Amino acid sequence: GENVEQHPSTLSVQEGDSAVIKCTYSDSASNYFPWYKQELGKGPQLIIDIRSNVGEKKDQRIAVTLNKTAKHFSLHITETQPEDSAVYFCAARLSNFGNEKLTFGTGTRLTIIP
Amino acid sequence: DAGVIQSPRHEVTEMGQEVTLRCKPISGHNSLFWYRQTMMRGLELLIYFNNNVPIDDSGMPEDRFSAKMPNASFSTLKIQPSEPRDSAVYFCASTPLSSTGELFFGEGSRLTVL
Repeated sequence: GENVEQHPSTLSVQEGDSAVIKCTYSDSASNYFPWYKQELGKGPQLIIDIRSNVGEKKDQRIAVTLNKTAKHFSLHITETQPEDSAVYFCAARLSNFGNEKLTFGTGTRLTIIP
Repeated sequence: DAGVIQSPRHEVTEMGQEVTLRCKPISGHNSLFWYRQTMMRGLELLIYFNNNVPIDDSGMPEDRFSAKMPNASFSTLKIQPSEPRDSAVYFCASTPLSSTGELFFGEGSRLTVL
């Protein structure tokens, strides 16, 4: 089955600086790669996703890049703010359909230092 | 609109006791997923259902775990007998069958087995 590795496990960044979280996946057939943000005491929430036919996607301060050849994808957060502090999970899925298995990385705890 | 509703939010029990976790998916969502979150292993998929039918239960740890979805608006995850190593946060998530992406997570059930 699919295996997703995520690094780093913890990351501290000065407010206003950028944060980068990296993931690798094992199954070259995976074609959907979302990122979820989990705040304390809450369930994970989708913040951005990318499909295999796209190399990069941006949404305001958040961007995701995908390198299918190397089987890795990254989350970039620019101009970080205190509310960005949370645990971030990457994930991968073989199918384009939401009703199929989504495999998550082990998470990155991001702390923004004021 | 109500999101995914899980109960109980917190459960403390003694080893050997039966535990039942409950989930009400978002109305109209016909795919339902049970995940377990621990510090060591992150988010692990236990089982998922499409149209109330279990599709993949390969993540269920052992026979002590069972899950049912008797109708489109209710699912249970049962652990009998419970063990200390079952202590974790259990999340339920749902998505429409026609969806191409997002899983909607509940706020989780934190289980502590003493």
